[in-house]
Amino acid sequence: KQEVTQIPAALSVPEGENLVLNCSFTDSAIYNLQWFRQDPGKGLTSLLLIQSSQREQTSGRLNASLDKSSGRSTLYIAASQPGDSATYLCAVRRGSQGNLIFGKGTKLSVKP
Amino acid sequence: GAGVSQTPSNKVTEKGKYVELRCDPISGHTALYWYRQSLGQGPEFLIYFQGTGAADDSGLPNDRFFAVRPEGSVSTLKIQRTERGDSAVYLCASSLSPSGAAEQFFGPGTRLTVL
Repeated sequence: KQEVTQIPAALSVPEGENLVLNCSFTDSAIYNLQWFRQDPGKGLTSLLLIQSSQREQTSGRLNASLDKSSGRSTLYIAASQPGDSATYLCAVRRGSQGNLIFGKGTKLSVKP
Repeated sequence: GAGVSQTPSNKVTEKGKYVELRCDPISGHTALYWYRQSLGQGPEFLIYFQGTGAADDSGLPNDRFFAVRPEGSVSTLKIQRTERGDSAVYLCASSLSPSGAAEQFFGPGTRLTVL
């Protein structure tokens, strides 16, 4: 059974710092991996989607990497801002169709 | 364009009652997913539709839960004889196709509270 773990559960950093969020999964046979952001009381906003054949994806200050063989992904946020404060969720897709399997998320707080 | 919408945004009900939660996917999206998110947890899969048919309902916790998508667009999640443990945020997502390459876009969720 696929399990997704995110470490740390919570993280507080001062504004301007670069930071890394970690995601690990137990079954390396994934189709793709997606990072989401969730603001309090809101739905999920997709940040980056990495296909299993890719090593990384970049969008603005965000960079996500994928090492499928070791079952790990990282989300790198450069020059963090208070507006980045949210919960970040990692999810993997088991097969070519179907649902996502999520981690519990990392709650990020960026202090001004 | 419009994203995924869900109604109601909040629903408070009493134990034992029946509730319906509605999801309007992005126009043209053929795949629709329901997830449930409890406090402090990531979303957990409930059911997935491709068109009008349920392609995978393995995440439904028991037979009190049922979902339909009669015309391949709007979907309704139905919960009978609600229990306090059903309290959670119910999220709906849609994607252009069921292909693994297609991103899933999420709605804002319905917060269900069972008293």
